[in-house]
Amino acid sequence: GESVGLHLPTLSVQEGDNSIINCAYSNSASDYFIWYKQESGKGPQFIIDIRSNMDKRQGQRVTVLLNKTVKHLSLQIAATQPGDSAVYFCPERGSYIPTFGRGTSLIVHP
Amino acid sequence: NAGVTQTPKFQVLKTGQSMTLQCAQDMNHNSMYWYRQDPGMGLRLIYYSASEGTTDKGEVPNGYNVSRLNKREFSLRLESAAPSQTSVYFCASSERDRELFFGEGSRLTVL
Repeated sequence: GESVGLHLPTLSVQEGDNSIINCAYSNSASDYFIWYKQESGKGPQFIIDIRSNMDKRQGQRVTVLLNKTVKHLSLQIAATQPGDSAVYFCPERGSYIPTFGRGTSLIVHP
Repeated sequence: NAGVTQTPKFQVLKTGQSMTLQCAQDMNHNSMYWYRQDPGMGLRLIYYSASEGTTDKGEVPNGYNVSRLNKREFSLRLESAAPSQTSVYFCASSERDRELFFGEGSRLTVL
């Protein structure tokens, strides 16, 4: 099976709501995690990262939470906007080579 | 600052034809990657190059070859294209374990 597990392949939210995208990882030695956003017709782009010595990191409207005990990451998007509609990835990095899963598709309804 | 540039952006091939996808980055990164993306399959690694002069197979290398021409350029070659290679191909680069920077993708159709 995939080493990267995303609990929901598709997440639908209303504009203005908060979104939470979850991600599980398998390698307890992983010490650095990155979230990417892929808009339709484009390549994935870096959103935010977090080191394993942190539990939480905030960016502009986005927050990443890391729970090392259960090997779980979440990406929280505040006040979701139509421009947030995209596929989100949290690739697991083994031997410095990122392994991407299918991602979670976020659909924002006006 | 162009980042990662891929050419061509679109290509249609007939089964059995060959072609090379070109990729260049201007960020002085050591590592470069080729992924393919198919509907419902996510991004799958074809080949990567950890540094100039080295290349290694990824998850789905069959039917492809690569060349790390220099630090900037990493090309992907299809020697005899097959319909199963119809996909969107992404090149990316990074510095060791830092974030990947992706190109805009090359959309390949094999008839």
